[in-house]
Amino acid sequence: DTGVSQDPRHKITKRGQNVTFRCDPISEHNRLYWYRQTLGQGPEFLTYFQNEAQLEKSRLLSDRFSAERPKGSFSTLEIQRTEQGDSAMYLCASSWRDRGEQFFGPGTRLTVL
Amino acid sequence: AQSVSQHNHHVILSEAASLELGCNYSYGGTVNLFWYVQYPGQHLQLLLKYFSGDPLVKGIKGFEAEFIKSKFSFNLRKPSVQWSDTAEYFCAGSYSSASKIIFGSGTRLSIRP
Repeated sequence: DTGVSQDPRHKITKRGQNVTFRCDPISEHNRLYWYRQTLGQGPEFLTYFQNEAQLEKSRLLSDRFSAERPKGSFSTLEIQRTEQGDSAMYLCASSWRDRGEQFFGPGTRLTVL
Repeated sequence: AQSVSQHNHHVILSEAASLELGCNYSYGGTVNLFWYVQYPGQHLQLLLKYFSGDPLVKGIKGFEAEFIKSKFSFNLRKPSVQWSDTAEYFCAGSYSSASKIIFGSGTRLSIRP
């Protein structure tokens, strides 16, 4: 399967713990996006990379959130000191052209107890 | 602010009925428009997209959408739905000033066999 992959698919953690998610985009795509989706809502943009450069961050992305894409390939999203409000599905997407269609991964479902 | 809105939260139809799901986008410059679908237990998939040209766009699985600039609308249609169309449908837009995609809140479609 050459689609976008995400790991883990599910994560349960206790409030205050740190978590890290990984996204592997489609290999020829140089743009990578992170979104968050809560129940009954559409995905909300978090941040975006073009190659290894992080070009845009949403105001939703508090200081506890950090994302990296060190070699312009896979990306990681870390949440420090998790809160119950961080419980959501975290989606990764990639594309090869600016403002073009984005291809989504299966998501990582985070539950903070 | 740039936004995408979907009017119907939950639509219930019988098989073979015609479908139209509403979507409106706010003014904000040139916009690319998309419809994504999320089948139960699966990740987001692109149904169709509009960048420019013919305002009537055809997608996969018999879906089509019409871009009406004067109404800021991009409604999704299908002449005859099947039980397998049961899913959540998201309208989305990408504006010229940004690379991210802005999603509507989604419409859950239930088909009675």
